Amino acid sequence: EAGVVQSPRYKIIEKKQPVAFWCNPISGHNTLYWYRQNLGQGPELLIRYENEEAVDDSQLPKDRFSAERLKGVDSTLKIQPAELGDSAVYLCASSLDFSLGQVSSYEQYFGPGTRLTVT
Amino acid sequence: SQQGEEDPQALSIQEGENATMNCSYKTSINNLQWYRQNSGRGLVHLILIRSNEREKHSGRLRVTLDTSKKSSSLLITASRAADTASYFCATVVLHTGGFKTIFGAGTRLFVKA
Repeated sequence: EAGVVQSPRYKIIEKKQPVAFWCNPISGHNTLYWYRQNLGQGPELLIRYENEEAVDDSQLPKDRFSAERLKGVDSTLKIQPAELGDSAVYLCASSLDFSLGQVSSYEQYFGPGTRLTVT
Repeated sequence: SQQGEEDPQALSIQEGENATMNCSYKTSINNLQWYRQNSGRGLVHLILIRSNEREKHSGRLRVTLDTSKKSSSLLITASRAADTASYFCATVVLHTGGFKTIFGAGTRLFVKA
């Protein structure tokens, strides 16, 4: 079974330029996540999709970041314009999320990430 | 904000020794998960423990959860050089719109051959 696929793996851009990341989740996984991971830190959630609906985008800097998940499968995360502080690894993850009442039981499968360097 | 705080931040041990990492959190959880991240790679899920469980085993991994102290520990027994990685605890909390996973800053484990 193929894992979560992300591209590109590495991206170097100058500040104020736009950049886009692409993610293909594991087939059948209804939930997709975008995380940002700064050096020496854990992943921080940017946005979570359930199917094609963004159910949690509270941490997404909406002035410059945007995301979409067309047809509830692939997803694209965009930054425009990029700033120096956006340099980080952007991780995509997916899960087969099921909840029974107040109990949640799932694990997330992560892609290898895109390492973004803004100069 | 990161709810989980791992301790220690870094750990260096000899192959064959046991490694213990701790995680403390602030709010009530639905479950707690541990992930491993090798250098330059994505995270890999290791184990999940629910809020009504106290201990779980998976191979050389043992996880404990103390909800009264809001803490968890991950024990890796008989460590190997291949266990060298960063280990993250992730707390799953009930949140508006469903559940939310919050990762800690991680413990960097180095196992010397």
